[in-house]
Amino acid sequence: KAGVTQTPRYLIKTRGQQVTLSCSPISGHRSVSWYQQTPGQGLQFLFEYFSETQRNKGNFPGRFSGRQFSNSRSEMNVSTLELGDSALYLCASSLAGGGGYGYTFGSGTRLTVV
Amino acid sequence: KNEVEQSPQNLTAQEGEFITINCSYSVGISALHWLQQHPGGGIVSLFMLSSGKKKHGRLIATINIQEKHSSLHITASHPRDSAVYICAVDQGGSEKLVFGKGTKLTVNP
Repeated sequence: KAGVTQTPRYLIKTRGQQVTLSCSPISGHRSVSWYQQTPGQGLQFLFEYFSETQRNKGNFPGRFSGRQFSNSRSEMNVSTLELGDSALYLCASSLAGGGGYGYTFGSGTRLTVV
Repeated sequence: KNEVEQSPQNLTAQEGEFITINCSYSVGISALHWLQQHPGGGIVSLFMLSSGKKKHGRLIATINIQEKHSSLHITASHPRDSAVYICAVDQGGSEKLVFGKGTKLTVNP
């Protein structure tokens, strides 16, 4: 079966711009969660969506937002980009999220802000 | 103090050695995950544990819920095992993974 697909793989943006990243989960999975990975902070939880509803949000500013569509595909958006937003953004899909359900990760989108 | 602590941060081994990576956590969890990340970024889920022990090939993962501690063991290590190993916990009822900082393993031939 197809894995988790993240697009694009690489992205270079200028400070102040906005960016939208996409994540297509495994067919049948209804939970999509997003994570930011930086060398300094490691992996940090951004938010989780289940059946088009955001169930949990990490400690990130409001410039970070997301949504999930009826086909479970999810997008995350970062507005007014800052240099510190340069990171690897990973999404993970799960049947239902939370304990007891495993996660399958995408390959990530590497965002560079210049 | 981080909610999930891993040790060691870096580990260098010779091919064939037995390897242990440790993870301690301070929050209530519904499950603990061991993840592998190769250069390039992709993450592979190795194990999900809520109790006891699991084995897959040369990899063994154990968890002690009372002591809030888990270990990942690699038997007969091989250079292809070189990667970053990350411990993550599902905080009970929160649909949110909390991660350790990772252990960078290098296995030399």
